[in-house]
Amino acid sequence: DQQVKQNSPSLSVQEGRISILNCDYTNSMFDYFLWYKKYPAEGPTFLISISSIKDKNEDGRFTVFLNKSAKHLSLHIVPSQPGDSAVYFCAANEGSNYQLIWGAGTKLIIKP
Amino acid sequence: DVKVTQSSRYLVKRTGEKVFLECVQDMDHENMFWYRQDPGLGLRLIYFSYDVKMKEKGDIPEGYSVSREKKERFSLILESASTNQTSMYLCASSSVTSGANVLTFGAGSRLTVL
Repeated sequence: DQQVKQNSPSLSVQEGRISILNCDYTNSMFDYFLWYKKYPAEGPTFLISISSIKDKNEDGRFTVFLNKSAKHLSLHIVPSQPGDSAVYFCAANEGSNYQLIWGAGTKLIIKP
Repeated sequence: DVKVTQSSRYLVKRTGEKVFLECVQDMDHENMFWYRQDPGLGLRLIYFSYDVKMKEKGDIPEGYSVSREKKERFSLILESASTNQTSMYLCASSSVTSGANVLTFGAGSRLTVL
């Protein structure tokens, strides 16, 4: 049972436009959500997180939106840059549970 | 900056060989994790440890064991490597005991089992 789902395996966006990556979850007990970015042959790096008590968190070009009623979150990247081409993973955890539950990832391709 | 260092970036082993993957972190983190990443499957947790000599099974522990004799070091052991263990292995650490569990990852170890 996949508790965190990223339904788009890949996404292609023109440089300078907005990239929107989506993530759905089923466990209403999750109270933190995180986005990671991964380049080939490197480990994932943390991008941004959001608590379930918030509906938006912003850090520079990256904004995460959380819709608890729909159990949906999205990562917006504005404007998209070539260096944003990577695989993006959505993850969630519940309180003091050490385990992060991961989505399968979405490969973002920024076209020049 | 927190650094997580994985000893080998690329390994090629034969079926049946014993494989050690070592991971060292330099920020005194309590929690350490081993994941494997396969295309389309995301990151799957093999084992994690929240203290020295403590270990907990993750989602896919079969065929793997771990060792944490020192706080900074967490080793993954494949007792008898098989071809279906060909994968990217990622080590991570964190200090969080509640809240958003922000993990810091190493660069990964790409293991090929022939």
